[in-house]
Amino acid sequence: DAGVTQSPTHLIKTRGQQVTLRCSPKSGHDTVSWYQQALGQGPQFIFQYYEEEERQRGNFPDRFSGHQFPNYSSELNVNALLLGDSALYLCASRSSGGTLLTDTQYFGPGTRLTVL
Amino acid sequence: GQQVMQIPQYQHVQEGEDFTTYCNSSTTLSNIQWYKQRPGGHPVFLIQLVKSGEVKKQKRLTFQFGEAKKNSSLHITATQTTDVGTYFCAVYNFNKFYFGSGTKLNVKP
Repeated sequence: DAGVTQSPTHLIKTRGQQVTLRCSPKSGHDTVSWYQQALGQGPQFIFQYYEEEERQRGNFPDRFSGHQFPNYSSELNVNALLLGDSALYLCASRSSGGTLLTDTQYFGPGTRLTVL
Repeated sequence: GQQVMQIPQYQHVQEGEDFTTYCNSSTTLSNIQWYKQRPGGHPVFLIQLVKSGEVKKQKRLTFQFGEAKKNSSLHITATQTTDVGTYFCAVYNFNKFYFGSGTKLNVKP
């Protein structure tokens, strides 16, 4: 049973460029969330996707957008990259059918984005 | 949005000593989760607490949820070098997870 997978593992971009990160959820999970984790900080919620729609959004600008596909996989797109976008981007999945008691989310290994 | 404050930011202990990290909120929480992130790794779910005054144990780890559901703690008895990492609390509210800033634990052998 594969867990959450993310690609690529590392990425280097320059300011102003655009980037797309990919995530495949754990088998049986249909809800995907994206987080940004700057060095030395806790993960910050970017947004959550369910049924191919953005359901919740954190305090991130419109440069951050996403997509969810029918197979529940997801993409995170960041436009007009800034130096401050350098971070570990984590994808987490869970099952929408769970109760609060089973709302465990499983994190992928992350994509380390460096913006030069 | 929901905020949880976590202390201390760093903790250095000698192997065999105990360790505790605390998570505090100004509002009543419906639940709290704890995660561990090893250096260079990703957060791994440890446990979820939902009941007032709840105490759960996992081997050397003891998790508590305050009576008022505004604070929580994670206590590790007799730390080992394998306990090294950053411990985060997180709360789930309105379909969002809010993470604390974490406590980084270093264990000296």
